[in-house]
Amino acid sequence: EPEVTQTPSHQVTQMGQEVILRCVPISNHLYFYWYRQILGQKVEFLVSFYNNEISEKSEIFDDQFSVERPDGSNFTLKIRSTKLEDSAMYFCASSLRRELVDNEKLFFGSGTQLSVL
Amino acid sequence: LAKTTQPISMDSYEGQEVNITCSHNNIATNDYITWYQQFPSQGPRFIIQGYKTKVTNEVASLFIPADRKSSTLSLPRVSLSDTAVYYCLVGPPKGSSNTGKLIFGQGTTLQVKP
Repeated sequence: EPEVTQTPSHQVTQMGQEVILRCVPISNHLYFYWYRQILGQKVEFLVSFYNNEISEKSEIFDDQFSVERPDGSNFTLKIRSTKLEDSAMYFCASSLRRELVDNEKLFFGSGTQLSVL
Repeated sequence: LAKTTQPISMDSYEGQEVNITCSHNNIATNDYITWYQQFPSQGPRFIIQGYKTKVTNEVASLFIPADRKSSTLSLPRVSLSDTAVYYCLVGPPKGSSNTGKLIFGQGTTLQVKP
């Protein structure tokens, strides 16, 4: 089965530093997403991205966050000035179609564990 | 989006059939019901999706009664490797403008014992 790959698997940073989390979505997919999961909590939607622009974003996705598809294969999440509460597992996902019905699904990566010290 | 309620945890033994029921009383007409599985330190993985009646694939079955206010994920003959968190998700509805915004609850932690 095709996979979404994320790098790095672990990232440790100091509070206030910028981090970039990287993802390679499945090659023919058109829709891209970031979710996060704070330890012991729910998986939360952050942002969806299509045709080089944000389609939808959650309240969590404030001005400190940005996403980019710099080339034809990578999809990145940047946190400009990290806070302690940004510590979480960040999951990238992709899908072929917009509507997740008729067995259309999100394919998630294995995540990047971000630790902000 | 419809709220879902499912047991926080379940235990089972290898070889048993496991049924996890999810309540979604406020499901909308165009909502599909989807189940995802999550192993520790991994992203969620799609298991099965249905709209009504019964759906079966190589991994699981999904039973949806006529009123669609609940659904039951059935895992036949579980093994230790089925130990994971199982999420029931409802929506976004077909035709919705929401794009990939899945709402995850706390899920059901299934522990399979030898």
